[in-house]
Amino acid sequence: QQQVKQSPQSLIVQKGGISIINCAYENTAFDYFPWYQQFPGKGPALLIAIRPDVSEKKEGRFTISFNKSAKQFSLHIMDSQPGDSATYFCAAPGGKLIFGQGTELSVKP
Amino acid sequence: DTEVTQTPKHLVMGMTNKKSLKCEQHMGHRAMYWYKQKAKKPPELMFVYSYEKLSINESVPSRFSPECPNSSLLNLHLHALQPEDSALYLCASSAGTRPISDEQFFGPGTRLTVL
Repeated sequence: QQQVKQSPQSLIVQKGGISIINCAYENTAFDYFPWYQQFPGKGPALLIAIRPDVSEKKEGRFTISFNKSAKQFSLHIMDSQPGDSATYFCAAPGGKLIFGQGTELSVKP
Repeated sequence: DTEVTQTPKHLVMGMTNKKSLKCEQHMGHRAMYWYKQKAKKPPELMFVYSYEKLSINESVPSRFSPECPNSSLLNLHLHALQPEDSALYLCASSAGTRPISDEQFFGPGTRLTVL
C-alpha cells in the first residue's frame, strides 16, 4: 500500500509565526502534490498544489517546497493567523488520491 | 461556478431505513467521487465515476450503492447501514482528463448518523 507520511499530527503556533507541515512519499511516479485545508464540519478545499518540475510554489502566505531527491514536500504558512486554524492534508496521486494523516493546526492570538 | 453541492447537510437514519445522498456540480467535470471521512481522519475513497461509468469501487459493502444519472449528478443510496457507518460523506469532482491526478473539488459533505 503506497503511503504519504505527514507530520506533525498537531501544531500550535503563535499569531504571526511560521507554520511548517511536512510530507514524505514513496512512489517517484507521483506527479502532483496538493495540499487541502479543512475546517470543522466542512469539506476539504484545495489550498495549493505543485508538480515536480518546480521546487517551490508560493501563493500569498502559503508556500509549497518540494525536494524530489528526498521525496519530501512541505507547506509553509507565513504570518500565521487564527483564521488559519484548521486541519491540513497533503496528498499524492497513486492509483487514487492518497492523503496524509492530517495536521491539526491551532494558531493562538 | 466552482461549487459542488451536497444534500442533505445532515441525515439521521435507523438501520432499516433506505435513504439517498445527492451531489451536483456544474463545472463540466467528467469525474465524480464519493469519500467517507471519520473524525480526525483523512477522507477514504469509496467510488469513482469517470464519464458516467463506475471506474473504481474500493471494496465498499453493498449496503452503499452509487448511481450517476448524468455528468452533473451523483447519488449514494444507503440501505441497512450499521452504526459504524456514521461519518461525513464527501462528494468531489474533477475535470476527468486524468481522474486521479486532476484537481479535485470537494462538496461540504453530508453528516450521517446511523442509530
